[in-house]
Amino acid sequence: ELKVEQNPLFLSMQEGKNYTIYCNYSTTSDRLYWYRQDPGKSLESLFVLLSNGAVKQEGRLMASLDTKARLSTLHITAAVHDLSATYFCAGGRDDKIIFGKGTRLHILP
Amino acid sequence: GAGVSQSPSNKVTEKGKDVELRCDPISGHTALYWYRQSLGQGLEFLIYFQGNSAPDKSGLPSDRFSAERTGGSVSTLTIQRTQQEDSAVYLCASSSSGEDPEAFFGQGTRLTVV
Repeated sequence: ELKVEQNPLFLSMQEGKNYTIYCNYSTTSDRLYWYRQDPGKSLESLFVLLSNGAVKQEGRLMASLDTKARLSTLHITAAVHDLSATYFCAGGRDDKIIFGKGTRLHILP
Repeated sequence: GAGVSQSPSNKVTEKGKDVELRCDPISGHTALYWYRQSLGQGLEFLIYFQGNSAPDKSGLPSDRFSAERTGGSVSTLTIQRTQQEDSAVYLCASSSSGEDPEAFFGQGTRLTVV
């Protein structure tokens, strides 16, 4: 059974700083997703990573995947207040998508 | 439509009543997922449909929960004899299979059982 763990679960950081959210998964996963959720809203797709060594970037966010370590990271560069949200990673196996608990990110202006 | 559509957006029901939640996936998407999100929590997998295959019901929390998908498109999640602990946001997502498995979520149905 696929299990997905994120850390940290809560993160408060200053604008302009860099930080990384980690996502570990327990068994082979076909693909790795990252989503953003704002309070009271649904989930917005950020990235889908399909292969070992995959790296995708969008603005200040960069996601990578290491399938051998069963690890994905979401790196935030020079954080801005607008990036405050909850970020979820999810693993896909046999077409089922299993989510981590989410990382609640609060960026202080 | 352009995205995943869920209805109703909000539902308040009395304990013991049955409710039906609807999900209309993106046209052409073969996979459809239901999740439950309690306040401030992560997403709990409920059920998954892929094309005409038998659904994966492994996440349904009790036999009060059931779901069907008609014609490979619209899906209905039914909760019978609702309990207060069923209060949550129910989210639906759809994706295509193959090379682009990106899954898109609807806006969810906020269910409150009083």
